[in-house]
Amino acid sequence: GQQVMQIPQYQHVQEGEDFTTYCNSSTTLSNIQWYKQRPGGHPVFLIQLVKSGEVKKQKRLTFQFGEAKKNSSLHITATQTTDVGTYFCAGPYGGTSYGKLTFGQGTILTVHP
Amino acid sequence: KAGVTQTPRYLIKTRGQQVTLSCSPISGHRSVSWYQQTPGQGLQFLFEYFSETQRNKGNFPGRFSGRQFSNSRSEMNVSTLELGDSALYLCASSSIQGQGVLYGYTFGSGTRLTVV
Repeated sequence: GQQVMQIPQYQHVQEGEDFTTYCNSSTTLSNIQWYKQRPGGHPVFLIQLVKSGEVKKQKRLTFQFGEAKKNSSLHITATQTTDVGTYFCAGPYGGTSYGKLTFGQGTILTVHP
Repeated sequence: KAGVTQTPRYLIKTRGQQVTLSCSPISGHRSVSWYQQTPGQGLQFLFEYFSETQRNKGNFPGRFSGRQFSNSRSEMNVSTLELGDSALYLCASSSIQGQGVLYGYTFGSGTRLTVV
């Protein structure tokens, strides 16, 4: 079955440092989605990437979808304490219109002030 | 615009009992999915419903079942509860983009189920 591997599992940074998490799929993805879950909260949708090589930015967050559509990355510039949480990537299984997402294990980000 | 509503928020049940969890998706969202989240296994897909039909099912035993009503509200049921069923159960809804592609999911706050 489809597997989505995410690294690193944990990342501790000082406030102001950059952070990157990587996501790799065992199969080509029609799209990839990123979610953030704050401690004690629920996953919150950040972005969806669809095109090969696509790069999207949201303020300090930069998302990239690989040319082969099998990997993706999330980069945060100058982290803030509000960035604390677990970042998940997720890919759909069973075609573009079917809602079975396979989630990576997530990267837990800790930001030290 | 109201978000995804899940009830109850917390639940404590005894082994062997059954439980029903409820989810009201965002108005207009026809796709509703359920996920189980545990520290050890992460987010695991349970099933997905679209217009009252189950389109996808995850690798969970038959004790886990669900349904969707005509107003898109969904319920999931777990029978003969086991200790290992203790988890956060999350419901998520999504709308359809062009060409039938589902857009990103909006998750509810979840139901924290504890089996004792």
